[in-house]
Amino acid sequence: GENVEQHPSTLSVQEGDSAVIKCTYSDSASNYFPWYKQELGKRPQLIIDIRSNVGEKKDQRIAVTLNKTAKHFSLHITETQPEDSAVYFCAASSNDYKLSFGAGTTVTVRA
Amino acid sequence: EAEVAQSPRYKITEKSQAVAFWCDPISGHATLYWYRQILGQGPELLVQFQDESVVDDSQLPKDRFSAERLKGVDSTLKIQPAELGDSAMYLCASSLGQGTDTQYFGPGTRLTVL
Repeated sequence: GENVEQHPSTLSVQEGDSAVIKCTYSDSASNYFPWYKQELGKRPQLIIDIRSNVGEKKDQRIAVTLNKTAKHFSLHITETQPEDSAVYFCAASSNDYKLSFGAGTTVTVRA
Repeated sequence: EAEVAQSPRYKITEKSQAVAFWCDPISGHATLYWYRQILGQGPELLVQFQDESVVDDSQLPKDRFSAERLKGVDSTLKIQPAELGDSAMYLCASSLGQGTDTQYFGPGTRLTVL
């Protein structure tokens, strides 16, 4: 099955700086890569996703890049704000198998 | 905006007792998922339904866990008997279809087994 590894496990950044989280996956058949944000005590919420027919996708301060050859994808948050503090999960799936999640990255934005 | 509903939000039980969790997916979503999330880890799929049929239950401990979605709408996950190692967050999610359709999560049920 698919194996998704996520780094770093914790990330502390100064407000206004950028945050980058990286994930690798094992199965070359994976073609869908969502990112979820989970605030303390709340449900995971989709913040951005990317499919294998594109290399980069942006939504305001959030961007995701995908390198299918190297089998890795990354989440970039620019101009971080205190409300960006949360746990972020990457995941990977294909049309034929289930969504597999990374272990999560706890992001803390220091004011 | 429609959301996935779950109840109860919190459940404390003693080992060897039975517990049940309920999930109501977003209206019209054919696919329903139950995940287990251990503290400090990502969600792990327990069971996936397509309408009322089980699509994947390969990670469901079938000796003690059961899940049903009788009318293809809401679903119940049961644990009997509960063990200490079952303490975790149990998340329900739904999507329009299978595969790479976006999954929307419920708030989860935090289970503590004493």
